[in-house]
Amino acid sequence: KAGVTQTPRYLIKTRGQQVTLSCSPISGHRSVSWYQQTPGQGLQFLFEYFSETQRNKGNFPGRFSGRQFSNSRSEMNVSTLELGDSALYLCASSLTGGSNTEAFFGQGTRLTVV
Amino acid sequence: GQQVMQIPQYQHVQEGEDFTTYCNSSTTLSNIQWYKQRPGGHPVFLIQLVKSGEVKKQKRLTFQFGEAKKNSSLHITATQTTDVGTYFCAGPAGGAGNMLTFGGGTRLMVKP
Repeated sequence: KAGVTQTPRYLIKTRGQQVTLSCSPISGHRSVSWYQQTPGQGLQFLFEYFSETQRNKGNFPGRFSGRQFSNSRSEMNVSTLELGDSALYLCASSLTGGSNTEAFFGQGTRLTVV
Repeated sequence: GQQVMQIPQYQHVQEGEDFTTYCNSSTTLSNIQWYKQRPGGHPVFLIQLVKSGEVKKQKRLTFQFGEAKKNSSLHITATQTTDVGTYFCAGPAGGAGNMLTFGGGTRLMVKP
């Protein structure tokens, strides 16, 4: 079956702009989580959606937001981009979204803010 | 909040040598997961440990979950160049849902 698909793979944006990243989970998976990966901070949890509801939120400013659609596809949005937002943004889907289910990661979107 | 620490941060080994990475959580975990990320790739699930003192093997990889369910280790016997990558442990951050706290990872480099 197809894996987790993230688009776009690469993105270059200017400070102050906003960006929308997309994630299509594995078919049948209802939980989608987003992570930010940087060399300095590692993998940090952004938020998780399950059945179109945000179930968990990490410690990120309100500029970071997301949503999930009825087909489980998810988007995350970052407004007023800062240089420090440059990172690999990873989406992970899981079947039930319980704390003991493995996460399947997409290839990520590499965002560069200049 | 919950913290998950991993050591070492980097490890260079000669092909054929063994490798171990250690993971410690500030809180008791219901389970611990291990992921591998190849250079330029994305994290890929390796295994999940649930029981206190659990030991699981996958070919040359041995995973352990501590008795107190606060620490874990991954040991690779006779490393190969295909083992190159960063190994992460991750534990549930609490609450409902699949929110994981990742360790900082151990980057393994193997010299042929």
